[in-house]
Amino acid sequence: QLQLQESGPGLVKPSETLSLTCTVSGGSISSSSYYWGWIRQPPGKGLEWIGSIYYSGSTYYNPSLKSRVTISVDTSKNQFSLKLSSVTAADTAVYYCASLHSPDFWTNWFDPWGQGTLVTVSS
Amino acid sequence: SSELTQDPAVSVALGQTVRITCQGDSLRSYYASWYQQKPGQAPVLVIYGKNNRPSGIPDRFSGSSSGNTASLTITGAQAEDEADYYCNSRDSSGNSWVFGGGTKLTVL
Repeated sequence: QLQLQESGPGLVKPSETLSLTCTVSGGSISSSSYYWGWIRQPPGKGLEWIGSIYYSGSTYYNPSLKSRVTISVDTSKNQFSLKLSSVTAADTAVYYCASLHSPDFWTNWFDPWGQGTLVTVSS
Repeated sequence: SSELTQDPAVSVALGQTVRITCQGDSLRSYYASWYQQKPGQAPVLVIYGKNNRPSGIPDRFSGSSSGNTASLTITGAQAEDEADYYCNSRDSSGNSWVFGGGTKLTVL
């Protein structure tokens, strides 16, 4: 059974780069069955998809964040990572990683999710 | 359009049936998935595909779709169903994913 766990700094200074890692257990990140994704939730607000990556390295980013986001996979560590540059207070949120299933182009779902990690942008 | 629209809040009497809807152009092409989120917890998948429930999700949860609207129905709502519910699908381009704004369900 897949399990995901986010890790990384809980406090980032404005203008710096937010870096988070998601460690996958119970399955291989190289599996062709899954994409891997990052989703965030500002305090008291809704969910926002940040981006997704396939094991081959193909990436998909939220157009509103694309210029600042990089998602990568480290197959040797069974991890995938998120980098968000030039952060501001508006990037303060709980960041979740999740497995994205897409058995066909029309059917997609995120499951399971990590527990989430709060990242605060403040000086 | 890359947007999915949900009613911000819905209420239901205990034991009654409630439908939570999600509207968007992309839903004419792609199935929605639905997530339940309780305070302080990560979202949990409750419905995916045409109408599929993950293991452990009660059968009072069901999904349907018509035109540009996807629906999550809870038949016989329980107190523990009080939560925020989010829909998700690919956007119309097919190269991004988008979440609805969420619906806060209150069980009276």
